[in-house]
Amino acid sequence: GQNIDQPTEMTATEGAIVQINCTYQTSGFNGLFWYQQHAGEAPTFLSYNVLDGLEEKGRFSSFLSRSKGYSYLLLKELQMKDSASYLCAVTDSNYQLIWGAGTKLIIKP
Amino acid sequence: SQTIHQWPATLVQPVGSPLSLECTVEGTSNPNLYWYRQAAGRGLQLLFYSVGIGQISSEVPQNLSASRPQDRQFILSSKKLLLSDSGFYLCAWSQGGSGANVLTFGAGSRLTVL
Repeated sequence: GQNIDQPTEMTATEGAIVQINCTYQTSGFNGLFWYQQHAGEAPTFLSYNVLDGLEEKGRFSSFLSRSKGYSYLLLKELQMKDSASYLCAVTDSNYQLIWGAGTKLIIKP
Repeated sequence: SQTIHQWPATLVQPVGSPLSLECTVEGTSNPNLYWYRQAAGRGLQLLFYSVGIGQISSEVPQNLSASRPQDRQFILSSKKLLLSDSGFYLCAWSQGGSGANVLTFGAGSRLTVL
């Protein structure tokens, strides 16, 4: 079967750095997405990785290792507004999106 | 620029009543359209997707149906709601054609079935 694993919940301190991991087992691979979802709102696109390595976008970076079936989202200089769920999703060989259950990130002052 | 509208935002319906959620996209042509459901604390479950007018693919058998009467309009319906239909429903669009395209979501519709 196809599976995406990410931690259910993480806690971090304002101003710190946090890394949210995602491992996947899918039928083929055509890219990995990270989305941010604030409570009660719709998900919004953060990043896309299709090749190995690190993609940086301001305070957020996303890393991919296809051989290990692994990705992480790195958030730097955490702000209270970063409190949200972070969803990992993989596009399989049929270009179907497989979603993880999301990681709820709690930021404490 | 492209925008997506979804309504209603919130609704409370009795068991056995009908349902209609509507979604429209502006600023693009021939988008791929999707309906997802998200239960509390759970991942996104794909319900239906469409690559063109009148073309609907169903992912999960249930008492819901979808229609795409116009290129940029996607409707989710039910004739008789069940308690288990409660959840957060999200419409989304992506660029047409195959490929790993970014999904843009509507604001969501929170359905409570009593």
